[in-house]
Amino acid sequence: EPEVTQTPSHQVTQMGQEVILRCVPISNHLYFYWYRQILGQKVEFLVSFYNNEISEKSEIFDDQFSVERPDGSNFTLKIRSTKLEDSAMYFCASSEIFGVAQNMKSSYNEQFFGPGTRLTVL
Amino acid sequence: AQTVTQSQPEMSVQEAETVTLSCTYDTSESNYYLFWYKQPPSRQMILVIRQEAYKQQNATENRFSVNFQKAAKSFSLKISDSQLGDTAMYFCAFRLSYNTDKLIFGTGTRLQVFP
Repeated sequence: EPEVTQTPSHQVTQMGQEVILRCVPISNHLYFYWYRQILGQKVEFLVSFYNNEISEKSEIFDDQFSVERPDGSNFTLKIRSTKLEDSAMYFCASSEIFGVAQNMKSSYNEQFFGPGTRLTVL
Repeated sequence: AQTVTQSQPEMSVQEAETVTLSCTYDTSESNYYLFWYKQPPSRQMILVIRQEAYKQQNATENRFSVNFQKAAKSFSLKISDSQLGDTAMYFCAFRLSYNTDKLIFGTGTRLQVFP
């Protein structure tokens, strides 16, 4: 069964350094997402991406974050200048379609998650 | 703004027994989805079950069922005949039915199934 994969599984970096977290979504999926979970806290939405554009982003996703689909298979999250508080587990997800409002009821699409990258900022 | 609360950080159950995980949420909207995701140790999060808010009937997937109480904004997960492979972190999540794919998660409940 196809799965979302993420690399690396664990990334350690120094504060102020740039990191790129990589994800390979399921091949026929068109919508891509990043979430993060700080230890002991909730999984939080960061950003959704479709057709080479950000569809939606949270207030967490500030100017130090960016996303890119550099080729037909990878989806990356870049953090330009890491801070201690960026230490978290970062989850990538993908889905086949986007829910479309039809009479206020959306076509459901399942988000498939990767195993996560644990980012540790020292 | 929508919020999801899971008040049980940890639960344990003996194999073959039944366990119920609690979830409450808050929203002023009437059209939304609710989900339970399972994350086994060192594995990806997978969808266990979903519930459309406009459906009165509680969703069921094999040994997994939900008790959806829309007025009370409660969405509990019942696992029947618990198996060792059910040991995992369980996340409750919410999503509006329109204009967004953003999932809003609770903090999770760690379930341990004992032999």
